[in-house]
Amino acid sequence: AQKVTQAQTEISVVEKEDVTLDCVYETRDTTYYLFWYKQPPSGELVFLIRRNSFDEQNEISGRYSWNFQKSTSSFNFTITASQVVDSAVYFCALSEALTGSEKLVFGKGTKLTVNP
Amino acid sequence: DAGVTQSPTHLIKTRGQQVTLRCSPKSGHDTVSWYQQALGQGPQFIFQYYEEEERQRGNFPDRFSGHQFPNYSSELNVNALLLGDSALYLCASSLFGRAYEQYFGPGTRLTVT
Repeated sequence: AQKVTQAQTEISVVEKEDVTLDCVYETRDTTYYLFWYKQPPSGELVFLIRRNSFDEQNEISGRYSWNFQKSTSSFNFTITASQVVDSAVYFCALSEALTGSEKLVFGKGTKLTVNP
Repeated sequence: DAGVTQSPTHLIKTRGQQVTLRCSPKSGHDTVSWYQQALGQGPQFIFQYYEEEERQRGNFPDRFSGHQFPNYSSELNVNALLLGDSALYLCASSLFGRAYEQYFGPGTRLTVT
């Protein structure tokens, strides 16, 4: 069964601090995709990144970076030098590729508050 | 290139009523998926439509039903509304078999009183 766990319900930091959001997943599929989405107060889901299970290279995009480790079934997200505009709920999600399942399974989200 | 659009933006209904939400997929997409996001939770998959048929369904009762039209747009219907149906309803579109490239709409916020 697919499952995504985001153990951190809420995180509060001061601007310019680095912050890491944790994501642990479960799947029996050998081919799958992992995602991070940002949801600001407006409610729209903003796509941040997608990784497939064969690509464990870490990725950096500006202040954002992602650490994918299959050995620990984790896909963590780090924001460097956080800004107030980073305040939002962040969701990690999983999609299996081989089972024929077309759905995304989301974690419960981590609410990040960046204080000035 | 228009993205995924949903209507209405907000909706208030009374317990026991019925509601219809609408979704137009991104241009070129043929598959629509619906998700329910309760307050403080992650989105949960309701069902997916492709070729005007329900292809996959999550753990939702039969009160939740849908439809897809020949132009690929879709409706989500919820009958006999309960207070617990209050949520943000998100529509996502993709090409069939490419769930890893789903594009989400802005959502419809449903409040049941």
